[in-house]
Amino acid sequence: AQTVTQSQPEMSVQEAETVTLSCTYDTSESDYYLFWYKQPPSRQMILVIRQEAYKQQNATENRFSVNFQKAAKSFSLKISDSQLGDAAMYFCAHSTASKLTFGTGTRLQVTL
Amino acid sequence: DAGVIQSPRHEVTEMGQEVTLRCKPISGHNSLFWYRQTMMRGLELLIYFNNNVPIDDSGMPEDRFSAKMPNASFSTLKIQPSEPRDSAVYFCASSLRQNTEAFFGQGTRLTVV
Repeated sequence: AQTVTQSQPEMSVQEAETVTLSCTYDTSESDYYLFWYKQPPSRQMILVIRQEAYKQQNATENRFSVNFQKAAKSFSLKISDSQLGDAAMYFCAHSTASKLTFGTGTRLQVTL
Repeated sequence: DAGVIQSPRHEVTEMGQEVTLRCKPISGHNSLFWYRQTMMRGLELLIYFNNNVPIDDSGMPEDRFSAKMPNASFSTLKIQPSEPRDSAVYFCASSLRQNTEAFFGQGTRLTVV
């Protein structure tokens, strides 16, 4: 069974600073995808970034980037130049054979 | 595209009543997921469909829960009879094909009193 673990229930970052959210996963599959989703108070689930397991290059989307370590089964999210609008729950997710499994989430606070 | 559409947005019902949640996936998407989100258990995958066929329903908590996808543009999640512990936000999501990202609806907040 695949599992996704987010060991940081809460994180805090100052505006304009950088923060890294951790995620590890466990799978026996070789072909899979990894995602980070953001859930603001509106409860809408928003895709932040995706990474294909077969790609060695780390994905980047503007201020968001990942550090994908396949051998270690680690997939962390780095948010640069944090903004107040980044405050939300962040979920790491693993997808294989159509099954999308989420971690328990990290609540990110952004302070002035 | 309007995205994944769920209805209703909010539902309050009495214990014992039947509840039906509805979902319209994004046109052309082949996979559909039903999730339940609570503070205690986080996001739980209840069931997912591929090409309208249920692939894995191991997350459905009890026989009181059932899900159908009669065609590519519509799915329902039914709870009968409902209980207070079913209170949660229920999300429907769809994806274009296997292993691609899922797009979520706005969710249905269900309260069973």
